[in-house]
Amino acid sequence: SAVISQKPSRDICQRGTSLTIQCQVDSQVTMMFWYRQQPGQSLTLIATANQGSEATYESGFVIDKFPISRPNLTFSTLTVSNMSPEDSSIYLCSVGTGGDSPLHFGNGTRLTVT
Amino acid sequence: QKEVEQDPGPLSVPEGAIVSLNCTYSNSAFQYFMWYRQYSRKGPELLMYTYSSGNKEDGRFTAQVDKSSKYISLFIRDSQPSDSATYLCAARSYGNNRLAFGKGNQVVVIP
Repeated sequence: SAVISQKPSRDICQRGTSLTIQCQVDSQVTMMFWYRQQPGQSLTLIATANQGSEATYESGFVIDKFPISRPNLTFSTLTVSNMSPEDSSIYLCSVGTGGDSPLHFGNGTRLTVT
Repeated sequence: QKEVEQDPGPLSVPEGAIVSLNCTYSNSAFQYFMWYRQYSRKGPELLMYTYSSGNKEDGRFTAQVDKSSKYISLFIRDSQPSDSATYLCAARSYGNNRLAFGKGNQVVVIP
């Protein structure tokens, strides 16, 4: 399976600032997704990162808060904007090669907002 | 009702015991079922991937899907301390890449 690298692995940020998380895959993948994992909660899909076009957001998530870029088939970024303590979470990049293939995950970015 | 329900209670077992984990789901359109293993401070790692009903075995791990009762199971035989992790069940429907996850079970195998 593809090797997925996420940066940064962790960060502590102040309220009101923004953080951009990078996801780099070692091979071209059809699909890239961003998930959020909050303590005691199920992994929740934030959005599908579409190559060369705007991301597709799930209910409850908006582009102004979580802008996403995907310039090519191996790279994507997620920005968490105007952060509040409620944004403290693990953010995970996930990739798939399409069809029946399963999704694989990076090691996540552990974000703490103070 | 959440699409995938997984009792998140922690589970402690002695080394060598059989670990049994279960999930239920509500969406009849789900066709693909997954178990992920997540070690502390790591991302979810795909453990088992099954399509429709039936059993799948991989070494000490067996995944079972019963679509008639909407029930997903994972069995770990001869459990080892290295199996200590959180186990997440997930499901999706055909043509839809959005995964629905359970909350995860923390498993501790005591040497």
